[in-house]
Amino acid sequence: QQPVQSPQAVILREGEDAVINCSSSKALYSVHWYRQKHGEAPVFLMILLKGGEQKGHEKISASFNEKKQQSSLYLTASQLSYSGTYFCGTYSYYGGSQGNLIFGKGTKLSVKP
Amino acid sequence: EAQVTQNPRYLITVTGKKLTVTCSQNMNHEYMSWYRQDPGLGLRQIYYSMNVEVTDKGDVPEGYKVSRKEKRNFPLILESPSPNQTSLYFCASSFLGQSYEQYFGPGTRLTVT
Repeated sequence: QQPVQSPQAVILREGEDAVINCSSSKALYSVHWYRQKHGEAPVFLMILLKGGEQKGHEKISASFNEKKQQSSLYLTASQLSYSGTYFCGTYSYYGGSQGNLIFGKGTKLSVKP
Repeated sequence: EAQVTQNPRYLITVTGKKLTVTCSQNMNHEYMSWYRQDPGLGLRQIYYSMNVEVTDKGDVPEGYKVSRKEKRNFPLILESPSPNQTSLYFCASSFLGQSYEQYFGPGTRLTVT
């Protein structure tokens, strides 16, 4: 039940836009997004909840389509600091409880000058 | 400073020699978990705990043990490490509920020879 991320990797020039997708085979209550730079711990970006509530990073936007069980992360006017691997995560339980947090395999984003 | 700490950060050991990786958080979080990260496989949850004395298996629990005797600590125990447990390990914590982000520790790089 691991969420599937696409693309696996993307290379951008500074200022270009990118979309990272995350899809699940089961109903989702929430989708979590994290970014990890090489050699560092993952860092929280965004949480999207069923019903439309969002919390997270000011400069990064995301969408959550509950019916399609999909989420997309939108990176606009990319900066060099956006480089890293992006992970989406979903919990095994549907509802407020947590259970097992399952991450996708990640999308590696490289921003070039 | 709010943080999750892990020790040791680096460890090289031999097959079969029991080891413990400690994890501690100072944010009064109920939820704590352990992940392993391997190239191409993303972050996979080993065990999680939703409160003191409450633990449950994640996706890859074989060969690992955990305990949660205190709210702030969640040690990971490898009683008989094997080379396939060579990996990068992260501890994380959060408040209870899917609307809260995970705070990750800095990681422990384990090599089993």
